[in-house]
Amino acid sequence: SYVLTQPPSVSVAPGQTARITCGGNNIGSKSVHWYQQKPGQAPVLVVYDDSDRPSGIPERFSGSNSGNTATLTISRVEAGDEADYYCQVWDSSSDQGVFGTGTKVTVL
Amino acid sequence: EVQLVESGGGLVKPGGSLRLSCAASGFTFSSYSMNWVRQAPGKGLEWVSSISSSSSYIYYADSVKGRFTISRDNAKNSLYLQMNSLRAEDTAVYYCARGMTTYFDYWGQGTLVTVSS
Repeated sequence: SYVLTQPPSVSVAPGQTARITCGGNNIGSKSVHWYQQKPGQAPVLVVYDDSDRPSGIPERFSGSNSGNTATLTISRVEAGDEADYYCQVWDSSSDQGVFGTGTKVTVL
Repeated sequence: EVQLVESGGGLVKPGGSLRLSCAASGFTFSSYSMNWVRQAPGKGLEWVSSISSSSSYIYYADSVKGRFTISRDNAKNSLYLQMNSLRAEDTAVYYCARGMTTYFDYWGQGTLVTVSS
């Protein structure tokens, strides 16, 4: 089955840039989506199709995808961005959804 | 406003069964695929199952194949998950989520399923 690997944690100071990676075999050939989940809440879609943002999501959230790594970038990080972030793809070879292992973003 | 409200969770013994429901509103339910995603306590997200808008295509995670059955009733704007032969490792919050091509754009608040003797 397809595996997506994320760093367990990322720490960033307010106003700086956080980059969260999502590694997978030839992930650049797939569409990657990102979700933010705050404690006790349901996940929220923040980036879809590698780099598109749903309405209401700040431009500070951006995504890229190439080769074996997809990246979610959060610019000008705010305290409210502290959350768990998950990448996700649809594995068409097995017809199954796949989530990354998740990354906890801590704002220092 | 899109709303997804799950229900049916609770405490069940190993080997038991439970049926989850998800009531949808605020969009044309029959036009969208629907999904179940779960999250064990303190763990990450795990996709469980997907069903196409007309129920023509149904997919399951290997971990639940043969034990869980996804279904929908478009006339009632409802999604279901029949869970049989439940195991301790099925303990999780179960979310229903609306499907868009290959991602999930709206999520419910989840319902907790606890499998324990």
